[in-house]
Amino acid sequence: DAGVTQSPTHLIKTRGQHVTLRCSPISGHKSVSWYQQVLGQGPQFIFQYYEKEERGRGNFPDRFSARQFPNYSSELNVNALLLGDSALYLCASSGGTGATYGYTFGSGTRLTVV
Amino acid sequence: GQNIDQPTEMTATEGAIVQINCTYQTSGFNGLFWYQQHAGEAPTFLSYNVLDGLEEKGRFSSFLSRSKGYSYLLLKELQMKDSASYLCAVSPNYGQNFVFGPGTRLSVLP
Repeated sequence: DAGVTQSPTHLIKTRGQHVTLRCSPISGHKSVSWYQQVLGQGPQFIFQYYEKEERGRGNFPDRFSARQFPNYSSELNVNALLLGDSALYLCASSGGTGATYGYTFGSGTRLTVV
Repeated sequence: GQNIDQPTEMTATEGAIVQINCTYQTSGFNGLFWYQQHAGEAPTFLSYNVLDGLEEKGRFSSFLSRSKGYSYLLLKELQMKDSASYLCAVSPNYGQNFVFGPGTRLSVLP
């Protein structure tokens, strides 16, 4: 079975540009969460979606947005990129919304803003 | 606020035992997770504690004390491949907006 897949794996963008990151959850998983991991730090929660509805939002500016599609895949969009947005963006899928389900993480998208 | 503390770095010798501590202060508690993350890779699930006590899984064990806001991950018979970052994460509510600690980078030396 395929795990959580993310694309692209690496990306370089210029300040002020827009970026779209994509995530396909494990088959049968309906919950997708996005995290930002700056080098040397733990992941920080950005969004959680379940059944195409936003179920949680972290402390990130409105430049960050996301959506989930009918097939449960998800996109994370970031507008007006800043140098500080450079990070590893992790997508995690789960079979449900409760903590007991745990996460399965994708390998991430490494975004570099120059 | 939400706060999770872990040591930044630890070093241990192959074959030894190491304990990685985690303390947390969160608005609520619905479980504590430990993840392993090798450099440049995705975090992988190690353990989950929601009740006080010790959970053992092979060479890895995890302990939780909710009254003390404290957990530890115990790694036995260390192997070189255990060199990685270990992330402590708390679920403060029923949903899945986990709060992660900064991670502990463990180096296993021969």
